[in-house]
Amino acid sequence: EPEVTQTPSHQVTQMGQEVILRCVPISNHLYFYWYRQILGQKVEFLVSFYNNEISEKSEIFDDQFSVERPDGSNFTLKIRSTKLEDSAMYFCASRAGLAALYGGKFFGPGTRLTVL
Amino acid sequence: GQQLNQSPQSMFIQEGEDVSMNCTSSSIFNTWLWYKQDPGEGPVLLIALYKAGELTSNGRLTAQFGITRKDSFLNISASIPSDVGIYFCAGQWGETSGSRLTFGEGTQLTVNP
Repeated sequence: EPEVTQTPSHQVTQMGQEVILRCVPISNHLYFYWYRQILGQKVEFLVSFYNNEISEKSEIFDDQFSVERPDGSNFTLKIRSTKLEDSAMYFCASRAGLAALYGGKFFGPGTRLTVL
Repeated sequence: GQQLNQSPQSMFIQEGEDVSMNCTSSSIFNTWLWYKQDPGEGPVLLIALYKAGELTSNGRLTAQFGITRKDSFLNISASIPSDVGIYFCAGQWGETSGSRLTFGEGTQLTVNP
């Protein structure tokens, strides 16, 4: 069964460093998302991406964050200058379409980001 | 922003028992989704609901989209040890290209064999 994949599974970085989290969405999907989950808390929306541009972003997704689809398969989240509070699990998700017949969002296994 | 209240926070049950959990919102949603998350993994979609009043089953799982569009419940019948995990409800308001999900706080389910 097709699935969303993410790399790395765990990233440790120093505060102030840049990190890039990578995702390969399901191949025929058109809508891409990043969510994050701070340890022990609920999953929070960061950004949605369609047709090579951001569709919507949350208040969490400030100027330190950016997303890119550099080729036909990868979808990346960049954090320019990491802060301690960026430590969380970051989930990529994708969806084939918006109508009900396309089903819901499918999430990847996540990247655990630890900022020291 | 939209908030979801999910209850109960945690449940401890015996294998074979039925389980019920629910989510309520002060805002209307157009779509309700139920996910299960195992430790260290991403949420896995269990059931998606698209119409008010819709009742949908997936094996031993049944979920309903409330008539008011402000609530949803998930039932698990005849629980088994592998049902252990955190269950999240998620609501979606629009069908714009954004279509963000708002997640509940989760219900931690423990099944004793």
